[in-house]
Amino acid sequence: DTGVSQDPRHKITKRGQNVTFRCDPISEHNRLYWYRQTLGQGPEFLTYFQNEAQLEKSRLLSDRFSAERPKGSFSTLEIQRTEQGDSAMYLCASSLGQGATGYTFGSGTRLTVV
Amino acid sequence: EDQVTQSPEALRLQEGESSSLNCSYTVSGLRGLFWYRQDPGKGPEFLFTLYSAGEEKEKERLKATLTKKESFLHITAPKPEDSATYLCAVGSSNTGKLIFGQGTTLQVKP
Repeated sequence: DTGVSQDPRHKITKRGQNVTFRCDPISEHNRLYWYRQTLGQGPEFLTYFQNEAQLEKSRLLSDRFSAERPKGSFSTLEIQRTEQGDSAMYLCASSLGQGATGYTFGSGTRLTVV
Repeated sequence: EDQVTQSPEALRLQEGESSSLNCSYTVSGLRGLFWYRQDPGKGPEFLFTLYSAGEEKEKERLKATLTKKESFLHITAPKPEDSATYLCAVGSSNTGKLIFGQGTTLQVKP
């Protein structure tokens, strides 16, 4: 296992379009997290899954955002009707349990909304 | 509300010039304080987890310490390859997520 994989690495989309990102976690990790990071800021929590169950979702997350983790393996994050304010790095991470040895992050998907 | 504040926002050091980064936190039920390193265009890379006041952990030129209100990341005799953004995060017993600070960007000049 080579770590957490995210696809695509970069995405440029026009305002109003829908986009979907994929995350493949470390296979033995049961928890998967999505974070968003803008320039000069730390990662901001979006949501997380334990196996296929979505256990927590940020109150800041609008209804345009939805995440799934079917079968408890890979996860997708969809943003509908994108806005320029959605431009950011979207990071996925995984952990075994609560991640006492830390989360393992992917390299992220850079979204630019034009 | 759980919160993490890091200082300074940016730090420029000469190679070999030791310094410390600060992470102040408020959290309801600390289940761990985490330090990460992030290089430009990459995801954060795990460095340390600290669980209780007085705990210390070391890795090469880095040493992390923890009190009840803050954590320090001490960098001894830094090298240019230590240049990166260092992120602090806390986990609360009330939630499964980590809450991150805004990071300290360290630049070490040769």
